[in-house]
Amino acid sequence: EAQVTQNPRYLITVTGKKLTVTCSQNMNHEYMSWYRQDPGLGLRQIYYSMNVEVTDKGDVPEGYKVSRKEKRNFPLILESPSPNQTSLYFCASSFTGTSEETQYFGPGTRLLVL
Amino acid sequence: QKEVEQNSGPLSVPEGAIASLNCTYSDRGSQSFFWYRQYSGKSPELIMFIYSNGDKEDGRFTAQLNKASQYVSLLIRDSQPSDSATYLCAVLSGGYNKLIFGAGTRLAVHP
Repeated sequence: EAQVTQNPRYLITVTGKKLTVTCSQNMNHEYMSWYRQDPGLGLRQIYYSMNVEVTDKGDVPEGYKVSRKEKRNFPLILESPSPNQTSLYFCASSFTGTSEETQYFGPGTRLLVL
Repeated sequence: QKEVEQNSGPLSVPEGAIASLNCTYSDRGSQSFFWYRQYSGKSPELIMFIYSNGDKEDGRFTAQLNKASQYVSLLIRDSQPSDSATYLCAVLSGGYNKLIFGAGTRLAVHP
């Protein structure tokens, strides 16, 4: 089954404790992206990757890191989480990220930073 | 000014009626426009995309685009309670790698 998976689905942590949210897709997509969703603000792009070893900042990259060592995986790293990073996070992928394609979204990771 | 604006709602319509959802965008260079549906606690799913001025129909859904007015809309005919969700308008802007989302409109279809 073609899908984007994220782990964990729910996470409660404390300020300053490093965490990683994994994202994996099995569709051989080149383009992957991370979004955060907050009430009243919609989905905002954090980072995206056009291909292996190619990443770039989205609209709200502060406090986040990403890596793309393999095509299928695109982990989101919070080196020192803060309460303002409490949010719902979505990973998405598409073949090349061009306008003709739809992005497939993962199930979401709900993060609470105390 | 937000780049993609939507009325947050809720938009309440009776079952069987037409639901009309609207979206405006600020980047005149935008070429591609998408409507996603998101059920509470779930991930967004694409229901329509449109590139050209005019109407595009897919089943009960019709997307309408007016680039001169920078306006996109989604009509849902014969609305069903299962259509109750948040509808996100998204615009592909600044090249082909930045999808800008509106905050979404919550639709409630009541029997």
